[in-house]
Amino acid sequence: EVQLVESGGGLVQPGGSLRLSCAASGFTFSDHYMDWVRQAPGKGLEWVGRARNKVNSYTTEYAASVKGRFTISRDNSKNSLYLQMNSLKTEDTAVYYCARENSGWYFDLWGRGTLVTVSS
Amino acid sequence: DIQMTQSPSSLSASVGDRVTITCRASQSISNYLIWYQQKPGEPPKLLIYAASSLQSGVPSRFSGSGSGTDFTLTISSLQPEDFATYYCQQSYSTPFTFGPGTKVDIK
Repeated sequence: EVQLVESGGGLVQPGGSLRLSCAASGFTFSDHYMDWVRQAPGKGLEWVGRARNKVNSYTTEYAASVKGRFTISRDNSKNSLYLQMNSLKTEDTAVYYCARENSGWYFDLWGRGTLVTVSS
Repeated sequence: DIQMTQSPSSLSASVGDRVTITCRASQSISNYLIWYQQKPGEPPKLLIYAASSLQSGVPSRFSGSGSGTDFTLTISSLQPEDFATYYCQQSYSTPFTFGPGTKVDIK
């Protein structure tokens, strides 16, 4: 089955760290750009960043709001995408979705998301 | 960054109604415009890509149009399962940005 499953969310204090994982199955993971998109409670969607595919050397790109604090990585041997989040702020509270990026730069497959709550 | 706006922010409609949602980009994005549907507690679902291409499996009552800065999502005959929030997204350049959403609820 073609799917993405996120894990690793939870409650963390401001200034803390958390690592999210996304397990992919049913498709050739290394062929695709993979992204993280987040959604604060009751709010809209915000792109967090992406890890490019093998052809593009798996390079990464980030939104300004997380650049320098968040790091996206991938382990293609495990078909997994990661989001290391450091120096967390209350405004990082959101459901974090893993999404597969199609060649037209749109997201055609989404996970169900994992909730990150940053609070003291 | 490219700013995306949507109108209306919400609308009430009845089953069978024709519904139109508008999305506007702050600069020309050619046809790099995507539409998603999201229901409460679920991830977004891809409806339309490249402004007017229907994603496989999406009912033909959904259609998209536009290019440049102005785009439209049309639902030709609203069905009970279509009550949801709709988001546009530009894929012209990073950072990818989304519109604030249009909530479609039951009249």
